[in-house]
Amino acid sequence: LAKTTQPISMDSYEGQEVNITCSHNNIATNDYITWYQQFPSQGPRFIIQGYKTKVTNEVASLFIPADRKSSTLSLPRVSLSDTAVYYCLVGDRLRGAGSYQLTFGKGTKLSVIP
Amino acid sequence: EAGVAQSPRYKIIEKRQSVAFWCNPISGHATLYWYQQILGQGPKLLIQFQNNGVVDDSQLPKDRFSAERLKGVDSTLKIQPAKLEDSAVYLCASSSTAEAFFGQGTRLTVV
Repeated sequence: LAKTTQPISMDSYEGQEVNITCSHNNIATNDYITWYQQFPSQGPRFIIQGYKTKVTNEVASLFIPADRKSSTLSLPRVSLSDTAVYYCLVGDRLRGAGSYQLTFGKGTKLSVIP
Repeated sequence: EAGVAQSPRYKIIEKRQSVAFWCNPISGHATLYWYQQILGQGPKLLIQFQNNGVVDDSQLPKDRFSAERLKGVDSTLKIQPAKLEDSAVYLCASSSTAEAFFGQGTRLTVV
């Protein structure tokens, strides 16, 4: 049973804000929500992580409603270089460690158009 | 800070041959992950180590795949014998916090 569901693809024009929503209806109490970005021929790269409410860093914001059954990654003013696949992951923190379970789904292919 | 190092970058073998991939994680990272990524799909976790112990290997095809992490640092992933469907990119990652760092991967082609 898939832990997360995302749109397969999205298109956006340069300079626009992009919101990618992820559904995780069966999220467990101990699960965190993490987003990764992957360019062709490269390994995934961490974007942001959250547990509830809103988290913001220098590249993105993550919005998580109170029921935590979905989350939205927001990319402000995208550029052509933001064209990539974006993955939403939910997973628990490893016991006695600072790291997490990382189970990838199919991701969302974002294409930024000039 | 040095990143996650993987070798080789590319490998072509014939089916039924064996192959090994090597990963050197970021210094101090206790957690090490191996993923298989088939073209057009998301990375699939093969095995996850915490120091030199296995945390999760539920999706590792144990009849042909094996992995070890000696002294909780470097790791090796082996396939023996390889099948055509093993053609993929094999990614290694390491972490000590919420952020996992991935290597460039090894692209394996089985012919």
